[in-house]
Amino acid sequence: EDQVTQSPEALRLQEGESSSLNCSYTVSGLRGLFWYRQDPGKGPEFLFTLYSAGEEKEKERLKATLTKKESFLHITAPKPEDSATYLCAATGANSKLTFGKGITLSVRP
Amino acid sequence: DTGVSQDPRHKITKRGQNVTFRCDPISEHNRLYWYRQTLGQGPEFLTYFQNEAQLEKSRLLSDRFSAERPKGSFSTLEIQRTEQGDSAMYLCASSFSSMAGAGDTQYFGPGTRLTVL
Repeated sequence: EDQVTQSPEALRLQEGESSSLNCSYTVSGLRGLFWYRQDPGKGPEFLFTLYSAGEEKEKERLKATLTKKESFLHITAPKPEDSATYLCAATGANSKLTFGKGITLSVRP
Repeated sequence: DTGVSQDPRHKITKRGQNVTFRCDPISEHNRLYWYRQTLGQGPEFLTYFQNEAQLEKSRLLSDRFSAERPKGSFSTLEIQRTEQGDSAMYLCASSFSSMAGAGDTQYFGPGTRLTVL
């Protein structure tokens, strides 16, 4: 059975303090690793798709990387508006997404 | 370009009642997915359609749940005889299946929050 595990469960940062969010996955025949941002009471907002180990993608203060067993979401110099829950998901042999529980990020001014 | 839309955004019902939710996907997308999310958890897959065909259903989808996608456009998710355990956020997502072997990027709607009293 496909599994996705995210750590830590919650992360509190000071504005400008860079950090990384971890996503470990066990998926048979990985066909995509996805990162989403979710604000309270809203649907997940797409951030990145990664397809193969070694791939990296960047958007503003966020950079996502992928290895054969893990993905990292690096946040550089975060701002309070980056506060949200960050979800990692993977898809394997079938088309459904298997999600982790998410990491709740709080950035203090 | 409008994204995925869902209606209603909130639904409060009494135990035992039937409820129906609607999802309108991004217009050119051929796949449509339903997920359920409870507090503190990631979304869990329920079912998905390619065009009008329902291709996979999770074992989470009991016989009280039914989903349709007539004509391969919008989709409905109906829950019969609701139970308090059905209280959750129901999320719809859509994607365009193009590249063979690559996972589609799924775009989510705002969700329907169901509360069963």
